[in-house]
Amino acid sequence: GQQLNQSPQSMFIQEGEDVSMNCTSSSIFNTWLWYKQDPGEGPVLLIALYKAGELTSNGRLTAQFGITRKDSFLNISASIPSDVGIYFCAGQLANTPLVFGKGTRLSVIA
Amino acid sequence: GAGVSQTPSNKVTEKGKYVELRCDPISGHTALYWYRQSLGQGPEFLIYFQGTGAADDSGLPNDRFFAVRPEGSVSTLKIQRTERGDSAVYLCASSFRGASGTGELFFGEGSRLTVL
Repeated sequence: GQQLNQSPQSMFIQEGEDVSMNCTSSSIFNTWLWYKQDPGEGPVLLIALYKAGELTSNGRLTAQFGITRKDSFLNISASIPSDVGIYFCAGQLANTPLVFGKGTRLSVIA
Repeated sequence: GAGVSQTPSNKVTEKGKYVELRCDPISGHTALYWYRQSLGQGPEFLIYFQGTGAADDSGLPNDRFFAVRPEGSVSTLKIQRTERGDSAVYLCASSFRGASGTGELFFGEGSRLTVL
């Protein structure tokens, strides 16, 4: 089946630093999404990407849909303590359910 | 309610027992999904409903797992003869358009199942 590889698995950064994480797939997707999950909560959608090459921003977050349709990255600028959590990429091919990566755990040191 | 509601939030049971987990989706959302999340992993797809019918149940691990959505709204995930390996957080999500749509799923907080 489809597998998504997220990297890094975890990262520790200083408050104010920029963060970059990415996701690669062995197969193509039509849609890429990035979710954030806080402890004890369900994942919350951050950014959705629908077109190869698309670059989309949501506040301090920027994500891109790779032109090969097999990868995506998420950048967070000027990190703050509330950015702590687990970030999941998810891909979707038409008429199939979302496939999730294993997540990148972000810790922010004040 | 405003969001996806799941009950119970925590369930502890003994190996071999039967368990039901309930999901109340966002009002008006036609699609409903069940995912399972083990510790340190991302959510794994179990089953997807469009209306009352199961449009895709390819993620159910075996015949001990079953889900229903009789009136196209609330769904119940049923696990028979629970095993320790079933311990996980069971997440429910809903969306307006379904699998052929945008993939913008709205998740509940999950039901944490522990099988002793």
